[in-house]
Amino acid sequence: AQSVTQPDIHITVSEGASLELRCNYSYGATPYLFWYVQSPGQGLQLLLKYFSGDTLVQGIKGFEAEFKRSQSSFNLRKPSVHWSDAAEYFCAVVPWGNTPLVFGKGTRLSVIA
Amino acid sequence: DGGITQSPKYLFRKEGQNVTLSCEQNLNHDAMYWYRQDPGQGLRLIYYSQIVNDFQKGDIAEGYSVSREKKESFPLTVTSAQKNPTAFYLCASSMPGLALTGELFFGEGSRLTVL
Repeated sequence: AQSVTQPDIHITVSEGASLELRCNYSYGATPYLFWYVQSPGQGLQLLLKYFSGDTLVQGIKGFEAEFKRSQSSFNLRKPSVHWSDAAEYFCAVVPWGNTPLVFGKGTRLSVIA
Repeated sequence: DGGITQSPKYLFRKEGQNVTLSCEQNLNHDAMYWYRQDPGQGLRLIYYSQIVNDFQKGDIAEGYSVSREKKESFPLTVTSAQKNPTAFYLCASSMPGLALTGELFFGEGSRLTVL
């Protein structure tokens, strides 16, 4: 079945440490890929997106993501995590055309001192 | 300020009652969406509308209904036929051509609890 998979339900990192959140997709063609962030009790905000071209994309808040076609992955990274980055992160795809976004189940990030 | 307004933020309902969640946007977006969020389940699409007076079912439309009489408004009714309605509901909108812009604009959500 076509899907978006975020293997990690919950990740805890120390403030200042690096971060990588994983995302894999299973669609025949390369879909359009996105990362969103959600603070508790809030809506979602777009961090970054990939359509084509350079496989390393930069987003807001110091985040970046790398598309790897061979691994069907679109992992989110940040070199140094801040306590304010604690939130839930969702990978999402537009499978084709103008179909609505399909979201992964999310990864909750906790940041400790 | 432009944005999406969802109301109410919290809602309690007795079993067997219908309830309507409001979603209004002043972003002049053509497309609007309703997602349901449950812990550990991510966001699942209930209904979406790409133009006034037209809407399509998403993955979990059973027990829900919508209308799109105005561009700005996309209310969601949770009917008594929805077996497990307790959840966090998110409304979103986008410019035409979601695949080109990739950005959904979200409201702050409505939390529905069935007593």
